[in-house]
Amino acid sequence: SQKIEQNSEALNIQEGKTATLTCNYTNYSPAYLQWYRQDPGRGPVFLLLIRENEKEKRKERLKVTFDTTLKQSLFHITASQPADSATYLCALDMGTGANNLFFGTGTRLTVIP
Amino acid sequence: DAGVIQSPRHEVTEMGQEVTLRCKPISGHNSLFWYRQTMMRGLELLIYFNNNVPIDDSGMPEDRFSAKMPNASFSTLKIQPSEPRDSAVYFCASSLLGPGNEQFFGPGTRLTVL
Repeated sequence: SQKIEQNSEALNIQEGKTATLTCNYTNYSPAYLQWYRQDPGRGPVFLLLIRENEKEKRKERLKVTFDTTLKQSLFHITASQPADSATYLCALDMGTGANNLFFGTGTRLTVIP
Repeated sequence: DAGVIQSPRHEVTEMGQEVTLRCKPISGHNSLFWYRQTMMRGLELLIYFNNNVPIDDSGMPEDRFSAKMPNASFSTLKIQPSEPRDSAVYFCASSLLGPGNEQFFGPGTRLTVL
């Protein structure tokens, strides 16, 4: 069956440390992988997109890697801040042009001051 | 741009009543998505439209759910009759048609069915 799993439901880290979130998938062959942030009471907000032929993508303190052999994406937040506390969702895009995304279960990150 | 607009933001209704959720996508976007989010099941895609045409409604849980998109700037999700297990947050999202495009989500409608 097709599955998209994100590591632990909740992740707590100390302010200033690097947070690493994992997205693993089975039985999918995505052309793109997107990461979203969701704050309580709000809709998800797009953060980053990485293509299947890209190994790594960076945006400010965020870094995403994509390993199509391992079927895994890692999402890093360096120098984490309490304001980074939120739920982070990965989403797979098959690149067919149909435009639908397959979302993971999400990881709730808490950065402790 | 105002972003994706959803109404109402909160809806409390009694079992058996009809519920209609509304969405206005971002102007110029030609793909629209309806999602349901619960603690147990996460974010589930219910149905999506490309150029106002329903493409995939396999996520719609039952015949009690229906969705329409009469024009490029408006969509509705209707539940009739509603049941307590329909209680969830319903999100509408829009995007430009094409691979690799991000989706823009609305603020959601929190539905409670008593």
